[in-house]
Amino acid sequence: DVKVTQSSRYLVKRTGEKVFLECVQDMDHENMFWYRQDPGLGLRLIYFSYDVKMKEKGDIPEGYSVSREKKERFSLILESASTNQTSMYLCASSSLGRNTEAFFGQGTRLTVV
Amino acid sequence: DQQVKQNSPSLSVQEGRISILNCDYTNSMFDYFLWYKKYPAEGPTFLISISSIKDKNEDGRFTVFLNKSAKHLSLHIVPSQPGDSAVYFCAASARSGGSNYKLTFGKGTLLTVNP
Repeated sequence: DVKVTQSSRYLVKRTGEKVFLECVQDMDHENMFWYRQDPGLGLRLIYFSYDVKMKEKGDIPEGYSVSREKKERFSLILESASTNQTSMYLCASSSLGRNTEAFFGQGTRLTVV
Repeated sequence: DQQVKQNSPSLSVQEGRISILNCDYTNSMFDYFLWYKKYPAEGPTFLISISSIKDKNEDGRFTVFLNKSAKHLSLHIVPSQPGDSAVYFCAASARSGGSNYKLTFGKGTLLTVNP
């Protein structure tokens, strides 16, 4: 059974804090993604990675960075959390190539106060 | 600029009837299309997909139709069940450098199936 695991289901952080969201997949997938979901805006891609130590900006990378030191782990970092980063964060992974689906984690509901 | 559009934020149908969810796209480089289902406080789960070389794919109660010339796809659920009530996201895949592909999602449609 494929599995993408996000370290926290719910997180509350203060404005200005540095926040780490962790994601681990056990499917040996090359690609990993971070999305955020907001009402009326759907899923928007923040960053993705197609290999260890490789990363590419998505559609809304501002205010975020990522780290991929090991193939199975992809971290999203909020350098200085702000209230407009309150959102549902979703990690996903997929294998290389076309015609493949992405598998999602259960999501992290982050609230910045 | 939204490349994948789901113009209906919500849809309500009666149990047993057909649900039709629509999706339009603008990028002609998209060549693989997927539908995901999402319950509140959970991650999206993959439902069904279709390659651009096909115009129909069926899996049980779920059928996806693709009209490439109109850049339009739809998901049909027959018969609809209360457990189908969820947000449905349309997604499209295109190459993003080298052999990597990334998914672009629509805003989602909330389907409510009434008993």
